Amino acid sequence: DVKVTQSSRYLVKRTGEKVFLECVQDMDHENMFWYRQDPGLGLRLIYFSYDVKMKEKGDIPEGYSVSREKKERFSLILESASTNQTSMYLCASSFPVRDRVERQYFGPGTRLTVT
Amino acid sequence: DAKTTQPNSMESNEEEPVHLPCNHSTISGTDYIHWYRQLPSQGPEYVIHGLTSNVNNRMASLAIAEDRKSSTLILHRATLRDAAVYYCIRAGGTSYGKLTFGQGTILTVHP
Repeated sequence: DVKVTQSSRYLVKRTGEKVFLECVQDMDHENMFWYRQDPGLGLRLIYFSYDVKMKEKGDIPEGYSVSREKKERFSLILESASTNQTSMYLCASSFPVRDRVERQYFGPGTRLTVT
Repeated sequence: DAKTTQPNSMESNEEEPVHLPCNHSTISGTDYIHWYRQLPSQGPEYVIHGLTSNVNNRMASLAIAEDRKSSTLILHRATLRDAAVYYCIRAGGTSYGKLTFGQGTILTVHP
């Protein structure tokens, strides 16, 4: 079974701190994704990566950056955390298939609170 | 932006079938229909996907209308563990595997 793990289930950080959220998948997937989920707004794509060192902005990249140095690991970075970044963060991965969208496998999520 | 329309909520009784509808009237010929569900305090979970014909797996069935403008996710015998938010997503093949989630349907299952 594919496993996507996230470094923490719950995280509390202070405003202005640099925050790293780590995601690791064990199925050699090329595609990896970071979403945030907020009540009433659903899941929104922050960044995605389709290969090592490759990254693309999603729908809401402002205030975030990402790093993909190894295929299995995709990190989301909050350079200077703010209270409006309090949210549930979800990581996912998938195989790339030409002309088709393959299923995504999601991690359990990290609930980040910025105070 | 890929758009689908789903009811905000539905209710069912345990052990009864559930039909979750989804409208995607502007779907293109190469878009697949994906369904995911999200149980409380968990990440979304893949349920099923299809292009034109009906699809079955161990979790559910997907019935796609002939004109592909709508589809229905069928849970054959709902259990309490099926209570979740169900997302219907249309996904094109040139999007690096990206999915755009809408608000989904909150399914409540009564014992």
